[in-house]
Amino acid sequence: GEDVEQSLFLSVREGDSSVINCTYTDSSSTYLYWYKQEPGAGLQLLTYIFSNMDMKQDQRLTVLLNKKDKHLSLRIADTQTGDSAIYFCAESMNTDKLIFGTGTRLQVFP
Amino acid sequence: GAGVSQSPSNKVTEKGKDVELRCDPISGHTALYWYRQSLGQGLEFLIYFQGNSAPDKSGLPSDRFSAERTGGSVSTLTIQRTQQEDSAVYLCASSLQGGRAEAFFGQGTRLTVV
Repeated sequence: GEDVEQSLFLSVREGDSSVINCTYTDSSSTYLYWYKQEPGAGLQLLTYIFSNMDMKQDQRLTVLLNKKDKHLSLRIADTQTGDSAIYFCAESMNTDKLIFGTGTRLQVFP
Repeated sequence: GAGVSQSPSNKVTEKGKDVELRCDPISGHTALYWYRQSLGQGLEFLIYFQGNSAPDKSGLPSDRFSAERTGGSVSTLTIQRTQQEDSAVYLCASSLQGGRAEAFFGQGTRLTVV
């Protein structure tokens, strides 16, 4: 079945690293995405990884993919208060349908 | 247009009435998605269009929900005989190549059924 799961909340101190985890069920997923939703705003794409990659780094963001365990993570280095938002992982299926996780609310405190 | 545009931004309707939600995707984007986000919940997939056809409408919650897309552009999501549980933010997104390309989201329509 199609199911993308994430933990609901994460709280970190400013300057620390944040790690947001996601598990998915469809092994045929071709792309996996991380989207950010700030309060009152739409979703914005942060980064994505192709399923034949293990890792992708983009400035403060590092995406790790474990295909065997169907596990995806997003690490944010030097987390800032502006990083407070809801983070969604998403997988694209062979049918091109995008399935989103439940979202993880990241709270950054001083 | 510059981005995905949805209208109205807010809609309050009485239980039992029909509502229409509109989405104007980014020009040239062939794929269009509708999602629903209830309070404190994740994004629930509703329907996916490729051009004017809907290869996957498995997420529509009931036969009260329908959607169409014309001219490969504008899409309308219609909810008939609205119920209180239909209250949510309805999000539309479009992309160039379906799931293999970035999806751009609109700001959503907040629907409140009273």
